[in-house]
Amino acid sequence: DVKVTQSSRYLVKRTGEKVFLECVQDMDHENMFWYRQDPGLGLRLIYFSYDVKMKEKGDIPEGYSVSREKKERFSLILESASTNQTSMYLCASRGTQGDTIYFGEGSWLTVV
Amino acid sequence: EDKVVQSPLSLVVHEGDTVTLNCSYEVTNFRSLLWYKQEKKAPTFLFMLTSSGIEKKSGRLSSILDKKELFSILNITATQTGDSAVYLCAVSGGTSYGKLTFGQGTILTVHP
Repeated sequence: DVKVTQSSRYLVKRTGEKVFLECVQDMDHENMFWYRQDPGLGLRLIYFSYDVKMKEKGDIPEGYSVSREKKERFSLILESASTNQTSMYLCASRGTQGDTIYFGEGSWLTVV
Repeated sequence: EDKVVQSPLSLVVHEGDTVTLNCSYEVTNFRSLLWYKQEKKAPTFLFMLTSSGIEKKSGRLSSILDKKELFSILNITATQTGDSAVYLCAVSGGTSYGKLTFGQGTILTVHP
């Protein structure tokens, strides 16, 4: 079974802090994604990566950056957290042969 | 811009009822449409549809795609309280490397 692991499940951070959300997948997938999910808005794509060191902006990249130094790991970085970044963040991965996307368990971030 | 719209946004039914969830889309270079079920955790995969008119079934759930009219429906017959969840529709395609665009989701509540 594909496993996508988000190491931080619940975080509370202060406004202005730098936040790292880590995601690791074990299926050698080329594509990895970061989404945020908010009530009534569904899942919105922040960034995705189709290869090591490659990234592409999604629909809402402002205030975020990403890092993909190794194929299995995709990190989401909030340089200076703000209260409007309080949300649930989902990491996902997908291989090149199919369209099914596999999700991690989610990281609940509260910025106070 | 790629767009996926789900309706209704929420639905309350009683056990035993049949429900139909709708998903319409506008996306360039369509590849596939996917349905996910999300309870209080990561979304889990239900169906992937690539061809018009071919129904996919899994137990009480079924789904079909109409590529001419650009929509899909997800049917759940004889609903149970365990069907209560958010149902997400996503479309693969667009101009970027196989990114998935999600709809807002339909919140289904099944009362005993």
